[in-house]
Amino acid sequence: QQQVKQSPQSLIVQKGGISIINCAYENTAFDYFPWYQQFPGKGPALLIAIRPDVSEKKEGRFTISFNKSAKQFSLHIMDSQPGDSATYFCAARVFNSGGSNYKLTFGKGTLLTVNP
Amino acid sequence: GAVVSQHPSWVICKSGTSVKIECRSLDFQATTMFWYRQFPKQSLMLMATSNEGSKATYEQGVEKDKFLINHASLTLSTLTVTSAHPEDSSFYICSARDPPWGDQPQHFGDGTRLSIL
Repeated sequence: QQQVKQSPQSLIVQKGGISIINCAYENTAFDYFPWYQQFPGKGPALLIAIRPDVSEKKEGRFTISFNKSAKQFSLHIMDSQPGDSATYFCAARVFNSGGSNYKLTFGKGTLLTVNP
Repeated sequence: GAVVSQHPSWVICKSGTSVKIECRSLDFQATTMFWYRQFPKQSLMLMATSNEGSKATYEQGVEKDKFLINHASLTLSTLTVTSAHPEDSSFYICSARDPPWGDQPQHFGDGTRLSIL
């Protein structure tokens, strides 16, 4: 059962364009939604994150839009650059009572290619 | 700040051997560390959560005796893949956070690529 659904699987954007990646979830217990960027052979790096009581958060060229009623959130990359080419993962956090800790559930990832 | 280091970055070994992967938090104390597994072009799947000084909590379907996790100090966690077989070949990534509550993000290591021949 996939708890966080991410789309599209891959995305090609021209330099300077806007990249948009969408995620949807079902579990209302999720309380924190980060986005990670991963380059080949590297671990994921946190890009930006949002809590469900906020509808939008912007950091530089990266913006998260959050729709709590629809249980959807998206990442917008403005003025996309070739250096942004990577795999992007959305994630959602829930308290793992069995481990007395929070745990992250990841989407399946979006491979972004920004053409020069 | 908040650097997580994994070692080795790549290991190739014969089927049946055991492999140990180290995960260190270099500039912070990590009371909680997480181990993930990632197959090529797929997502990260949480294998287990470990808290310093206590037993790890494994996700459903992960064999405890196959994947031994030790979190003996606030800066080091190890994952040992015992009697590794080709199907264990994967990219293993650890992450760490401190403290375990609040909005402190998980900091990920650069992963260990394990290839079993």
